[in-house]
Amino acid sequence: ELKVEQNPLFLSMQEGKNYTIYCNYSTTSDRLYWYRQDPGKSLESLFVLLSNGAVKQEGRLMASLDTKARLSTLHITAAVHDLSATYFCAVDHNNAGNMLTFGGGTRLMVKP
Amino acid sequence: KAGVTQTPRYLIKTRGQQVTLSCSPISGHRSVSWYQQTPGQGLQFLFEYFSETQRNKGNFPGRFSGRQFSNSRSEMNVSTLELGDSALYLCASSLALAGGPSEQFFGPGTRLTVL
Repeated sequence: ELKVEQNPLFLSMQEGKNYTIYCNYSTTSDRLYWYRQDPGKSLESLFVLLSNGAVKQEGRLMASLDTKARLSTLHITAAVHDLSATYFCAVDHNNAGNMLTFGGGTRLMVKP
Repeated sequence: KAGVTQTPRYLIKTRGQQVTLSCSPISGHRSVSWYQQTPGQGLQFLFEYFSETQRNKGNFPGRFSGRQFSNSRSEMNVSTLELGDSALYLCASSLALAGGPSEQFFGPGTRLTVL
């Protein structure tokens, strides 16, 4: 059974600081996704990581994937208040279809 | 291009009733997946439909069912509602060109409250 673990579950940080969210998963997969969710809203796709060593950046967020370590990271650079949200990683089951297992989410609060 | 739409957005039901939720995928997308989000269990996969066939199923009781129509629109049904079914139900669509996994785009969700 595929398990996905994120840490930390809650992160409070000051504006301007850097931090990393970690996503570990238990079985082989080479497709990992990062989503953002604002309170009461749906999931917004941030990054799609499809191979070992994949690195993608968008603004102050950078995501990477190490399939051998079964680890993905979401790095936040010089955080701003607008990044406050809950971030989820999700792993595909490597089967013929779309079936994501999500991590528990990291609730990020960026304080001025 | 219009995104994934879900109706209704909010729903209040009582225990024992049944409910049907609807999802219209992005035009051209052939796969529709459903997820349940609760504070306690997080985001959990319910099932996926592709070309009108259920292709994958999560670990939910048979009270949860779904179907997909020829235009790729999907419905999910929950019968004999329980308090624990209160949740945000999210639908996601994907292109699935070769029939395999592909990026999923989520709709706004239907918030179901069971009293």
